[in-house]
Amino acid sequence: AQSVTQPDIHITVSEGASLELRCNYSYGATPYLFWYVQSPGQGLQLLLKYFSGDTLVQGIKGFEAEFKRSQSSFNLRKPSVHWSDAAEYFCAVAPNTGTASKLTFGTGTRLQVTL
Amino acid sequence: GAVVSQHPSWVICKSGTSVKIECRSLDFQATTMFWYRQFPKQSLMLMATSNEGSKATYEQGVEKDKFLINHASLTLSTLTVTSAHPEDSSFYICSAELAGGADFGPGTRLTVL
Repeated sequence: AQSVTQPDIHITVSEGASLELRCNYSYGATPYLFWYVQSPGQGLQLLLKYFSGDTLVQGIKGFEAEFKRSQSSFNLRKPSVHWSDAAEYFCAVAPNTGTASKLTFGTGTRLQVTL
Repeated sequence: GAVVSQHPSWVICKSGTSVKIECRSLDFQATTMFWYRQFPKQSLMLMATSNEGSKATYEQGVEKDKFLINHASLTLSTLTVTSAHPEDSSFYICSAELAGGADFGPGTRLTVL
């Protein structure tokens, strides 16, 4: 069965500092990969996704993620964090056969931004 | 872009009652929708896949008689929590299948007293 691991439950960074959130997956073949953000009590917003091609993916709000097949990783990065980025971040995968909509989520990383 | 709505956004009910949550695709047709639940400070767990015009497919461990799913039209899927108990209190989120991913609803907070 596929699984997604987000090793960091909680991360605190200063505003303006760089950010990297880790995501590792376990799956027989390279799945479709996603990063979502969730503000408290809200739904999910898609930040970016990887299906194939260029392994460095650009997303919204200045986020990017890099797919590394050798490490089964899809880490999310942002060069300069803003206070409004404080939220819960979820990495998710979907099998690369059939629908890309049936997602398995990681446990999430809560980002706190200090001013 | 694609928009998915949920109603209600929050609901409080007494133990033993049933609660219906609606998931609508507002500007597109969704043959397939998904229902997730999220406990406080936890991740989203897929409960079931809702297919228009056919029975839902439930994930292992999800009671299909407790969580009734109906997908009667291409724009509406409903989740009914039957005989709700406090342990059913959770955040329920639906999503609609799109080419290249899914669009999520804003979620419904269910509190069972």
